[in-house]
Amino acid sequence: DVQVTQSPSSLSASVGDRVTITCRASQSIGRYLNWYQQKSGKAPKLLIYAASNLHSGAPSSFSGSGSGTNFTLTISSLQPEDFATYYCQQSYNAPRTFGQGTKIQIK
Amino acid sequence: QVQLQESGPGLVKPSQTLSLTCTVSNYSISSASHYWTWIRQPAGKGLEWIGRIYTTGSTNYNPSLESRVTISTDTSKNHFSLKLSSVTAADTAVYYCARGADFWSGNYYYAMDVWGQGTTVTVSS
Repeated sequence: DVQVTQSPSSLSASVGDRVTITCRASQSIGRYLNWYQQKSGKAPKLLIYAASNLHSGAPSSFSGSGSGTNFTLTISSLQPEDFATYYCQQSYNAPRTFGQGTKIQIK
Repeated sequence: QVQLQESGPGLVKPSQTLSLTCTVSNYSISSASHYWTWIRQPAGKGLEWIGRIYTTGSTNYNPSLESRVTISTDTSKNHFSLKLSSVTAADTAVYYCARGADFWSGNYYYAMDVWGQGTTVTVSS
């Protein structure tokens, strides 16, 4: 299985901050990496697919980059509605494993 | 818009079979190339991909669960189902169904773009 490791597991930030989350794959996966946002008690929502493509309806303040084994999700200016947990997921092969999540909390 | 809704027992006894259904609204599960997927999340923990079934009927399962999992579709009812046998307390989780799609970006990239709200299943005697 491809393992994906996210860091940090949690962070505290303020509204307006620029925030970056990283995801590292255990082997090269090209651009087969997605990012999801999950708010408390809700289902995840797709933000980014293929490492850098913004999904329809996702805010333009979100961006993704990377390929191979190292990937990042960046929020350019944190908004109150962005406080949530973020997961990366590799779609290179089955099982489509997720990272352990990064929880963004209010500082 | 496309909607997915999970349903099934909220409580299952150990060693029994967990059975859930995901009803798809405003979209035919047999009409195009999509993957109908199950994911679960134990309380306070991360997401685990269980498996998926393609429009053609082919399936992929998480090897850690493969011996106990069956995913199937019922096109007449426009729903797909999950069966997980020989459950233990470790199978207690919120279970989500989702639609997977191949997005084009110079190549096809799979992602899950529509999710159900999730249903909590507890395994306990």
